[in-house]
Amino acid sequence: DAMVIQNPRYQVTQFGKPVTLSCSQTLNHNVMYWYQQKSSQAPKLLFHYYDKDFNNEADTPDNFQSRRPNTSFCFLDIRSPGLGDAAMYLCATSRQEQETQYFGPGTRLLVL
Amino acid sequence: GQNIDQPTEMTATEGAIVQINCTYQTSGFNGLFWYQQHAGEAPTFLSYNVLDGLEEKGRFSSFLSRSKGYSYLLLKELQMKDSASYLCAVLDSNYQLIWGAGTKLIIKP
Repeated sequence: DAMVIQNPRYQVTQFGKPVTLSCSQTLNHNVMYWYQQKSSQAPKLLFHYYDKDFNNEADTPDNFQSRRPNTSFCFLDIRSPGLGDAAMYLCATSRQEQETQYFGPGTRLLVL
Repeated sequence: GQNIDQPTEMTATEGAIVQINCTYQTSGFNGLFWYQQHAGEAPTFLSYNVLDGLEEKGRFSSFLSRSKGYSYLLLKELQMKDSASYLCAVLDSNYQLIWGAGTKLIIKP
């Protein structure tokens, strides 16, 4: 089945210790998104790629970076996690920007 | 600014019908999505409306009125597994998805 995969499902890191979250897709979609979602809040878009074109949201902190080495994979790097970065991180894909977004299962990040 | 409003929480009884409303003010409109999100899980796509009217998909239906900036999600024959948050999201003129905070639906036996 075509799908969006995120690893790991749960990630524990220490304050200030860099962490990388990964996302892969077998849908061959052009667009990949990274969202941050905190409890009982709407998902917050951090950035997205249309193919190799990177689009950063204006209010995404510099602490968050992303890489998309090929169509299938996208990574979220948090350079120096703070306690406020504890959240669910959701990867989503869509064929085109105006089309339906499909989400992976998410990675729940805990910062100690 | 852009804004999506939906009730924070609703309660309904198993077997009944519930309507979750969503109103929006956005910069342009390229469609409205409803997603279901169980606690601790990712959102899953339920429906998409871009034209006025009702879209029916099994027990779930979604309605859109663009002139009123209004949509609703109708859930029939409620089951316990329908307990979840339901998120309304609008695609604006820049193809950015503007999300509501979600409506937590509690189903009671």
